[in-house]
Amino acid sequence: NAGVMQNPRHLVRRRGQEARLRCSPMKGHSHVYWYRQLPEEGLKFMVYLQKENIIDESGMPKERFSAEFPKEGPSILRIQQVVRGDSAAYFCASSPPSGFGSPLHFGNGTRLTVT
Amino acid sequence: AQTVTQSQPEMSVQEAETVTLSCTYDTSESNYYLFWYKQPPSRQMILVIRQEAYKQQNATENRFSVNFQKAAKSFSLKISDSQLGDTAMYFCAFMGFYNNNDMRFGAGTRLTVKP
Repeated sequence: NAGVMQNPRHLVRRRGQEARLRCSPMKGHSHVYWYRQLPEEGLKFMVYLQKENIIDESGMPKERFSAEFPKEGPSILRIQQVVRGDSAAYFCASSPPSGFGSPLHFGNGTRLTVT
Repeated sequence: AQTVTQSQPEMSVQEAETVTLSCTYDTSESNYYLFWYKQPPSRQMILVIRQEAYKQQNATENRFSVNFQKAAKSFSLKISDSQLGDTAMYFCAFMGFYNNNDMRFGAGTRLTVKP
């Protein structure tokens, strides 16, 4: 049973370019979460999605960041016109639809470096 | 809003000895879930242990156990017979009972197990 799959593992972008991070949840999981981790810090919640729906995006920056979880295919976190401050590790997590109290299962993260 | 505090940025322990990592949290909810995650250098987030606030019994998983003090809002992790592979960042996390789309993490404790 494959875990949460994130790709790429490392992503380097120049300032102003776009970054696309992909996440395939565990089989049977329909809830996807994106977190950001700055160096030496904990994870900060960004967005929570179910298939074709954004449930909570209260942690997402208002500009340049967007997320989707289409009916088919992986969830995508998109960062437009990246800046150096976007450099971080981005983690995706998933949980089953049964919900309450289910621990989140994390992917290995994508480390984004903006040069 | 719920906050999670880990007051020990770094700790070290000799192999085979016992170490306790501290975590406190703030919430007005009476039911919720608490977790400890381990993040080794590989960066993967690994669930170590889970506690349901409505259960008085402290959770245990092999060498890992918690001391859950609900009134004090304290949730410490004890690692017995420490092994070199336990070297990692450890994050305490809080999840509301009805709001499982926002898992709050502490800033983490870096644990080093010395041979």
